[in-house]
Amino acid sequence: ETGVTQTPRHLVMGMTNKKSLKCEQHLGHNAMYWYKQSAKKPLELMFVYSLEERVENNSVPSRFSPECPNSSHLFLHLHTLQPEDSALYLCASSQEDTGGYGYTFGSGTRLTVV
Amino acid sequence: GENVGLHLPTLSVQEGDNSIINCAYSNSASDYFIWYKQESGKGPQFIIDIRSNMDKRQGQRVTVLLNKTVKHLSLQIAATQPGDSAVYFCAENAHTGGFKTIFGAGTRLFVKA
Repeated sequence: ETGVTQTPRHLVMGMTNKKSLKCEQHLGHNAMYWYKQSAKKPLELMFVYSLEERVENNSVPSRFSPECPNSSHLFLHLHTLQPEDSALYLCASSQEDTGGYGYTFGSGTRLTVV
Repeated sequence: GENVGLHLPTLSVQEGDNSIINCAYSNSASDYFIWYKQESGKGPQFIIDIRSNMDKRQGQRVTVLLNKTVKHLSLQIAATQPGDSAVYFCAENAHTGGFKTIFGAGTRLFVKA
């Protein structure tokens, strides 16, 4: 494991389902991110949390709802998704006060919406 | 897998040869650059970084070159191995506040045995 753990690794859900993706970082970082990676687009930033506050919401549809209960955990709640939401969802963390912005990524959740 | 639908630039090299992957970045205010490697079924992994006050940085078998004049970044891999086969992303970040790191589309590296 890379220090950032994502569960589940794979998820198949219907358009009317509600599910959640979980991310946990064991690195003591103070910022966490959700990215979407699909077959048609490169990495798309979805949400950023810094010190548990959402600091970036990149015009993401409301059917995606993030939650950051503490600096180590990040969730992405999903409801009434569309087939075009099928993608690899990546969580990342970083330490934002060191002057560097290198991210540590998890292995991702492969989401299929049917 | 990821990026299959994208027409990623592809580099094919023979095992043992050196690889050079290029990246043009977009923001002249960017002052921190990172290369990531993404193997199939995994998330991107940090390889090497460089700050704008440098033009070259070396790691183990990898070298990053930065040319700020033309906003160009390159990753050189020495003695390329089959395990180097992956998609490589460059990323840029401007220290202007906020947390936006801009990722390139990636380059797929194939290593022929």
